[in-house]
Amino acid sequence: DVKVTQSSRYLVKRTGEKVFLECVQDMDHENMFWYRQDPGLGLRLIYFSYDVKMKEKGDIPEGYSVSREKKERFSLILESASTNQTSMYLCASRYRGAANEKLFFGSGTQLSVL
Amino acid sequence: AQSVTQLDSQVPVFEEAPVELRCNYSSSVSVYLFWYVQYPNQGLQLLLKYLSGSTLVESINGFEAEFNKSQTSFHLRKPSVHISDTAEYFCAVSAYNFNKFYFGSGTKLNVKP
Repeated sequence: DVKVTQSSRYLVKRTGEKVFLECVQDMDHENMFWYRQDPGLGLRLIYFSYDVKMKEKGDIPEGYSVSREKKERFSLILESASTNQTSMYLCASRYRGAANEKLFFGSGTQLSVL
Repeated sequence: AQSVTQLDSQVPVFEEAPVELRCNYSSSVSVYLFWYVQYPNQGLQLLLKYLSGSTLVESINGFEAEFNKSQTSFHLRKPSVHISDTAEYFCAVSAYNFNKFYFGSGTKLNVKP
């Protein structure tokens, strides 16, 4: 079975801290995504990576950066955490084949910034 | 660019009643369409998808959705819901040869006994 693993289920950080959220997939997928999920807003794309060391901004990249040094790992970095970054963060990887496509999600990291 | 609109943020319904969750999308190119479900305290999982071919697609647990190109819609339906269907449902779109997935704001389905 496909697996997308996010390193922490719950995380509490202080304003101004640098925060790393890690995501690992075991399917050799090229595409990986970071979303944040907020009530009433659905999932909003923060960053997308289409291959190792390749990244593209999503709709809300401000205050975030990403790193993809290896194919299986995609990290989201909050350079200086702020209270408005309190949210559920979801990592996903994409399978894309001939006339087929699917996103696989991790279980999410609930981040609280105090 | 693509976008997805889910008009209903919450849908309360009684058990064994029919339900429809609405999804409309906008795109200047051909798209793939998806419904994902998130049960309480769980991650998102794929419910069903439209990629090509028959415009009516079904899931293993009785949901179905119909791709309507002229109305740019992909509504999700079930003729008789169960308590276990209580969850949040997200409609999503991706476009051929594009990288991004776009999600709607979600619809919370609350099935009451």
